[in-house]
Parts: sequence; structure tokens; C-alpha cells
Amino acid sequence: DVKVTQSSRYLVKRTGEKVFLECVQDMDHENMFWYRQDPGLGLRLIYFSYDVKMKEKGDIPEGYSVSREKKERFSLILESASTNQTSMYLCASNLQGAQFNTGELFFGEGSRLTVL
Amino acid sequence: QKEVEQNSGPLSVPEGAIASLNCTYSDRGSQSFFWYRQYSGKSPELIMFIYSNGDKEDGRFTAQLNKASQYVSLLIRDSQPSDSATYLCAVNGRNFNKFYFGSGTKLNVKP
Repeated sequence: DVKVTQSSRYLVKRTGEKVFLECVQDMDHENMFWYRQDPGLGLRLIYFSYDVKMKEKGDIPEGYSVSREKKERFSLILESASTNQTSMYLCASNLQGAQFNTGELFFGEGSRLTVL
Repeated sequence: QKEVEQNSGPLSVPEGAIASLNCTYSDRGSQSFFWYRQYSGKSPELIMFIYSNGDKEDGRFTAQLNKASQYVSLLIRDSQPSDSATYLCAVNGRNFNKFYFGSGTKLNVKP
């Protein structure tokens, strides 16, 4: 079974703190993604990476950065956490797609971040 | 305009009925379309994908795609209480490796 593991299920941080969210996948997937999920807004793509050290901005990259030093690991960094970054963060991975990508994103369990 | 639109619901159907979930998308270049199910407190899981116009059936689930109308739907026949979840429509755009999600439709199946 594909496994995507997020390092922390629940975090509580203070405004201005630096936050690291880590994600590891064990299926040698090229693509890795960070989404945030908020009620009524669905999943919104923050960043994705299609190879080691390669990244592309999603729809809401402001306030976030990412790091992919190894194929299996994709980290999301909040340089200075703010209250509007309180959310559920979901990491996902999949194989690099051809035109008709089967689209199965494999998700981690999620990290619920609260910024006070 | 959002890339993918869904009614948030909740959609309530009695057990055994057909549940119909709908989704529209804005990018005519979209190639593939997906339905994910997300139980409360859990991560989304893929239940169906479709990329050709028409219907695709898998057990009690049927996905329908109409590219001319930019519309995709999911029918769940013989709905069960265990189908109660939020259903997320997702589309991959011109960059085949990027996926856009709707906000999800919450389905309640009443025993």
C-alpha cells in the first residue's frame, strides 16, 4: 500500500513562529503536493513539486515556501505563521502524469495547524 | 471564477435511493475528471475517474462527463448510510500534474 506520512497531526503555534510541516511518501512518486483545506473552500493547492529541488506555485503560495531535497520528502514551511494560516494541511503524492493521468492522489492523514 | 464548482449541500437522500452529485468546471482544456470521497476527519480517497464523454460505471457508482457543457456528475445507486461523506470533484488542467478541487458536496444517506 502507498503510504504518505505527515509528521504532525496537530500543531499549535504562535503568530510569528516558523512552522515546518513534513511529508514522506514511500512509493517513489515523482509528484508531491501541499494543499490546505478550509470549510467552504475545498482543497486549495499551495505548492507542488515534480522532481527533487523542483517546485511550482499553486493557487495560494503567499506566506509559504517548500523544500524537496529528497524524492520521498516534501516540506512546507511557514516562515512567520499568521492566524489566517490556521487550517488543515494535506500532503499528497502521485506518479508523474501522461495526458490521461489516472489522477489518484494519495493523501496523508493531514496536519491541523492552529495559529494563536 | 473558481476552476471547479460544486453545490455544498447537504444533499439528503433516503437509503436505497439514487444520489446525484454535480460539478462544473471552467477550463475547456481540462482532460481528466475525478471524484473523491472524504469521510469526516479523514483524507480524500479516489472513487472514480473519467476522461471520455459519456458514462463510466463501477459497481454502484456511475460517473458522467459532458465536455461540451463542462459538466461532470456522480450517481450513487442504492445509497447506503456508509456513503454519507463529502464528495469532492477534481479536475486536472492543461498541466496534467495539477489538480483543482471543488469545495465538495456533503451527502447524508438516511436509514
